[in-house]
Amino acid sequence: GEQVEQLPSSLIVQEGASVLINCSYTDSASVYFPWYKQEPGKRLQFIIDIRSNMERKQTQRLTLLFDKKTKHLSLHITATQPGDSAIYFCSASIMNYNQGKLIFGQGTKLSIKP
Amino acid sequence: NSKVIQTPRYLVKGQGQKAKMRCIPEKGHPVVFWYQQNKNNEFKFLINFQNQEVLQQIDMTEKRFSAECPSNSPCSLEIQSSEAGDSALYLCASSLAQSNTEVFFGKGTRLTVV
Repeated sequence: GEQVEQLPSSLIVQEGASVLINCSYTDSASVYFPWYKQEPGKRLQFIIDIRSNMERKQTQRLTLLFDKKTKHLSLHITATQPGDSAIYFCSASIMNYNQGKLIFGQGTKLSIKP
Repeated sequence: NSKVIQTPRYLVKGQGQKAKMRCIPEKGHPVVFWYQQNKNNEFKFLINFQNQEVLQQIDMTEKRFSAECPSNSPCSLEIQSSEAGDSALYLCASSLAQSNTEVFFGKGTRLTVV
């Protein structure tokens, strides 16, 4: 089945710095890739997504790049703030009947130092 | 803002006891997912529904869990006989479609089996 690999497992950066989180998947049938942020005690929060017919998506301080050939995604967060401290998860979903479940990466724990 | 409501937030059960948790999906969302997130932040898909019908479930869920999404009532997930390894965060999520669309998560029920 689909496997999603996410690196690095943790990042510690100074406020204002940019960070890059990498994600790779194995199943070429995966077509939808949402990313989530999880803070302690809070719900898993959707932050950005991309579909397999796109190469790039940007919202405010987030840029998500997608390479279908290499099955690789990367999330770039610029101008980090203390509120960005959280665990970030990439995920993949196959668009077949009954295959809507999300397969998650292992998570990247991001810590922003003020 | 997601309105997926999960109750209770915390659940403590002894081994062999039943453990039941509930979820009210976002209004108008016919698809409901249950995931298990362990202490290592690994996600495991358990089961999903479209309206009242089970779409897909893993073997463990079929054997040891009881889940339903009745019309006009909260969805529920019940472990018939809790084991120590069931201690985890159980996440309910809902969406408008089975795949390729944004999925909204609840805050989860944290189950501790003592």
